[in-house]
Amino acid sequence: EIVLAQSPGTLSLSPGERATLSCRASQSVSSSFLAWYQQKPGQAPRLLIYGASSRATGIPDRFSGSGSGTDFTLTISRLEPEDFAVYYCQHYGGSPPRIFTFGPGTKVDIK
Amino acid sequence: QITLKESGPTLVKPTQTLTLTCTFSGFSLSTSGVGVGWIRQPPGKALEWLALIYWDDDKRYSPSLKTRLTITKDTSKNQVVLTMTNMDPVDTGTYYCARSAPVRGTPGGYMDVWGKGTTVTVSS
Repeated sequence: EIVLAQSPGTLSLSPGERATLSCRASQSVSSSFLAWYQQKPGQAPRLLIYGASSRATGIPDRFSGSGSGTDFTLTISRLEPEDFAVYYCQHYGGSPPRIFTFGPGTKVDIK
Repeated sequence: QITLKESGPTLVKPTQTLTLTCTFSGFSLSTSGVGVGWIRQPPGKALEWLALIYWDDDKRYSPSLKTRLTITKDTSKNQVVLTMTNMDPVDTGTYYCARSAPVRGTPGGYMDVWGKGTTVTVSS
């Protein structure tokens, strides 16, 4: 069973700064099945990135994803006020076992 | 426009069975590659994937909860139902349903549209 670790747990930055979030898998995974989500307080998660690097519909280009094997990164090039939120990575184990796994999340808060 | 909406009880007692319904529109669960899943989130904690049912009626469960979960679909009603037995206060949280997107007729491996969630409290 794949386990995802995210670091740091909390990232304190100022608007305009660059955010780099890490997701590490316990074993090598297909980048086709690595996704990132953003969640703001009181809201459902929103898909940001799928296939490790493809932006979902309507996602601004300041969000980018990269990585392969066990190490993946979500980068926010210049933080906007609305970007302060919790970010989760997620892996899908292709057929079989066709199950999903979420990481523990990284909170990006205002410094 | 794709939408999903969760419904079910807001309060259940310990040891009871929880039944949640996800009613969706804008897509068909008969389409190759599509799935509908359930994810929960205890207050202040991380997302936890629970279960997912695919267009071909394949059902997948979280290994840690599989003995307590059952997921079914009614394609004609555009609904997916999740039951969780033997509820405990630690099961308190927000329960989301979401669509697993298809990519060229196969599971894409990500949840592209989510419902707003329903809050469940387990307490006597």
